[in-house]
Amino acid sequence: QQQVKQSPQSLIVQKGGISIINCAYENTAFDYFPWYQQFPGKGPALLIAIRPDVSEKKEGRFTISFNKSAKQFSLHIMDSQPGDSATYFCAARITGGGNKLTFGTGTQLKVEL
Amino acid sequence: KAGVTQTPRYLIKTRGQQVTLSCSPISGHRSVSWYQQTPGQGLQFLFEYFSETQRNKGNFPGRFSGRQFSNSRSEMNVSTLELGDSALYLCASSLAGKGYEQYFGPGTRLTVT
Repeated sequence: QQQVKQSPQSLIVQKGGISIINCAYENTAFDYFPWYQQFPGKGPALLIAIRPDVSEKKEGRFTISFNKSAKQFSLHIMDSQPGDSATYFCAARITGGGNKLTFGTGTQLKVEL
Repeated sequence: KAGVTQTPRYLIKTRGQQVTLSCSPISGHRSVSWYQQTPGQGLQFLFEYFSETQRNKGNFPGRFSGRQFSNSRSEMNVSTLELGDSALYLCASSLAGKGYEQYFGPGTRLTVT
């Protein structure tokens, strides 16, 4: 129940295309859903986040879509660029769980020219 | 503002030894969390400290411990190292009341031989 399931494991997208990464969860006590981007040799960097009372949040080329009833959320990267090639992690935080984040298994994104 | 710093960046230890890793949070951040990242298990929460108190703990054996100092700097210690402890250890800091926005350091790469 503590898990966050992420798919796909890897993704190849052409430059200018849309990258879509999906996550699903079971625990309804999760109250915050961030996405992190990690480049090789670096720590994860907070990209965008959403709360379950919001169905969509957009920041630049990055959009989170949230489906509370289905317990699913996804990251859309519009106009994908080679510089977006990185590993992306979805995560979730439990209400009253302090700052503990439960992470998905990660998606390796490669944007080709 | 300087980001989260972690020292050392790389460490090689022998099985059975102990190791101490250090984390300096972003100035003004009082919460520090530690995560272990491995290819097999992904990102896993170790523990969280706030105002020198451990507020949350993950499912790791007692060989993993930590502490936080009055200046919010944190250390984690792993005793009796095992080969399976080889991992990237990440520290993240956040502002009080904004624990959902965690900022990660570059990590310490620990190799146990």
